[in-house]
Amino acid sequence: DSGVTQTPKHLITATGQRVTLRCSPRSGDLSVYWYQQSLDQGLQFLIQYYNGEERAKGNILERFSAQQFPDLHSELNLSSLELGDSALYFCASRGKSQGASPYGYTFGSGTRLTVV
Amino acid sequence: AQTVTQSQPEMSVQEAETVTLSCTYDTSENNYYLFWYKQPPSRQMILVIRQEAYKQQNATENRFSVNFQKAAKSFSLKISDSQLGDTAMYFCASGEAGGTSYGKLTFGQGTILTVHP
Repeated sequence: DSGVTQTPKHLITATGQRVTLRCSPRSGDLSVYWYQQSLDQGLQFLIQYYNGEERAKGNILERFSAQQFPDLHSELNLSSLELGDSALYFCASRGKSQGASPYGYTFGSGTRLTVV
Repeated sequence: AQTVTQSQPEMSVQEAETVTLSCTYDTSENNYYLFWYKQPPSRQMILVIRQEAYKQQNATENRFSVNFQKAAKSFSLKISDSQLGDTAMYFCASGEAGGTSYGKLTFGQGTILTVHP
């Protein structure tokens, strides 16, 4: 157990639907990152939150949104789902001690989303 | 913006032998980090090794070592005494230290490594 919890582990839904992926960061970590991994591809950065505020944004679709709550858990909302949104979605957290450096990541085990 | 390229989609090696995975990257930053992550069939992302760009000495972690060529923007991973448990997808990644990137990582497309008995 990495300490980063993602739920659900698997999700199957139909095109046009909306889903919410949840991430609980490692205890004490303020930063949460979301990455998308399409089939046999590398991870693509979606968005980052730090202590409830959005800090950085990647090539995240307008149909996707995220937020980080006061208890530091984060949710990634995907709407108007398309077949191409099928992917593994990773959440990762980092502690305050890492500052702006890109190390100290702890990845969750991912949510596998299948759009049919 | 950073880019990371892994030119070997698949590699294979015999158990106990040595294999090298290639990675090239591009960045305009002076201060950055490079990583190799392992993703076994379980899909968990596992950090294998990391290298700070300001350090000239190549990083090593047990059987894993890197060849960091800063001028050539090359960062290869050498796995010695390969084991069956090394079978996985390997991702090269880079990240800027500071600035407005706030620690995000840029990943390559990955190399599938298969270790044969």
